[in-house]
Amino acid sequence: EVQLVESGGGLVQPGRSLRLSCAASGFTFDDYAMHWVRQAPGKGLEWVSGISWNSGSIGYADSVKGRFTISRDNAKNSLYLQMNSLRAEDTALYYCAKDRSSWYGGDNWFDPWGQGTLVTVSS
Amino acid sequence: QSVLTQPPSVSAAPGQKVTISCSGSSSNIGNNYVSWYQQLPGTAPKLLIYDNNKRPSGIPDRFSGSKSGTSATLGITGLQTGDEADYYCGTWDSSLSSWVFGGGTKLTVL
Repeated sequence: EVQLVESGGGLVQPGRSLRLSCAASGFTFDDYAMHWVRQAPGKGLEWVSGISWNSGSIGYADSVKGRFTISRDNAKNSLYLQMNSLRAEDTALYYCAKDRSSWYGGDNWFDPWGQGTLVTVSS
Repeated sequence: QSVLTQPPSVSAAPGQKVTISCSGSSSNIGNNYVSWYQQLPGTAPKLLIYDNNKRPSGIPDRFSGSKSGTSATLGITGLQTGDEADYYCGTWDSSLSSWVFGGGTKLTVL
């Protein structure tokens, strides 16, 4: 069974940093691109970042560009999101999602999604 | 403001049919495949439709997808109370070089 388990969320002050992790199992992790998607409380889905199978292609939403860094460790079947200079508007449930292909852009889809980890940015 | 436009809510009676629209542009829906996601209350999103109109294994044929030009539509027939959820369309935007989602549509089965 394909499983994605996020961790690392919590309460953090504005301007501080946080690192999220996503542990993958049940599939050949280094065959697939991976994504982070977030959902602010009571709001819709917002794509945050995606990374290709070999980290050779990476993309970010404009809202996080320059502050967030996505990475992966294929030996550990893990995906990461380093979040710096956090703002109140970054408060959200952060989901890890598997792409259907090895590249993060184009005619693909997200399946499955993890259960999410909650990040709250507040003083 | 989402790049893809969905109605905030739709409703229908059990057993009836409902459609949810998703409007975009030539840089996203017009030239890329659309996927749809179902988010039941308190749970993570789940893939419902991919490549505009294909259903993953395990998704009943009561759910269907279509695309025409720069718009896509999700159809649900034989509505059940268990279908009450938020539904999101998503696709790649070639101009933004990013994934985009609709704002979501809350389905109420009266």
